[in-house]
Amino acid sequence: GEDVEQSLFLSVREGDSSVINCTYTDSSSTYLYWYKQEPGAGLQLLTYIFSNMDMKQDQRLTVLLNKKDKHLSLRIADTQTGDSAIYFCAERDSSASKIIFGSGTRLSIRP
Amino acid sequence: EAQVTQNPRYLITVTGKKLTVTCSQNMNHEYMSWYRQDPGLGLRQIYYSMNVEVTDKGDVPEGYKVSRKEKRNFPLILESPSPNQTSLYFCASSATGGGSYEQYFGPGTRLTVT
Repeated sequence: GEDVEQSLFLSVREGDSSVINCTYTDSSSTYLYWYKQEPGAGLQLLTYIFSNMDMKQDQRLTVLLNKKDKHLSLRIADTQTGDSAIYFCAERDSSASKIIFGSGTRLSIRP
Repeated sequence: EAQVTQNPRYLITVTGKKLTVTCSQNMNHEYMSWYRQDPGLGLRQIYYSMNVEVTDKGDVPEGYKVSRKEKRNFPLILESPSPNQTSLYFCASSATGGGSYEQYFGPGTRLTVT
């Protein structure tokens, strides 16, 4: 079945760029998402990319999609302490009925 | 304010005692879904509903029931809870008429079954 994989942890220095990677298996995915979960809260959509796009930029966030390799990445420029959170990659299948989430990457910021 | 609400936020119960977690959204969304979040496993979908009176199993439906009698409400029912259902539960909703299908999440319900 469909699967979405992410590494569990990432630690970066404040001010550096963070790159969170994700791989997925469903080649019919229509939308791919990045959600952010802060401690004690629900998930909040950060950004998304449609499957016919290669890149999307939104302020400090850059999403890159390599459809051939089924690889998605989220780059956060100038990482701040407020970016500490768990980041989930997710894909929506072509029927639009299900979203499959990865296990989440916990981003921690070093001073 | 557009939101998804869940109640209760925290619940400690005993094995076998039926419970219901309520979920309500005020955005007139057709699609609603329940997830459970466990460490290292991410979010796993329990049940989803594409519209009123239409529900389908997700990846981990065993031990759960849902109903969708009204568009705004999508309660999650545990008829006979067991300790392996101790988890953090999220309800979510989204529109289905096109666009990004962004899901809006509730704040979560932390359930402990002893």
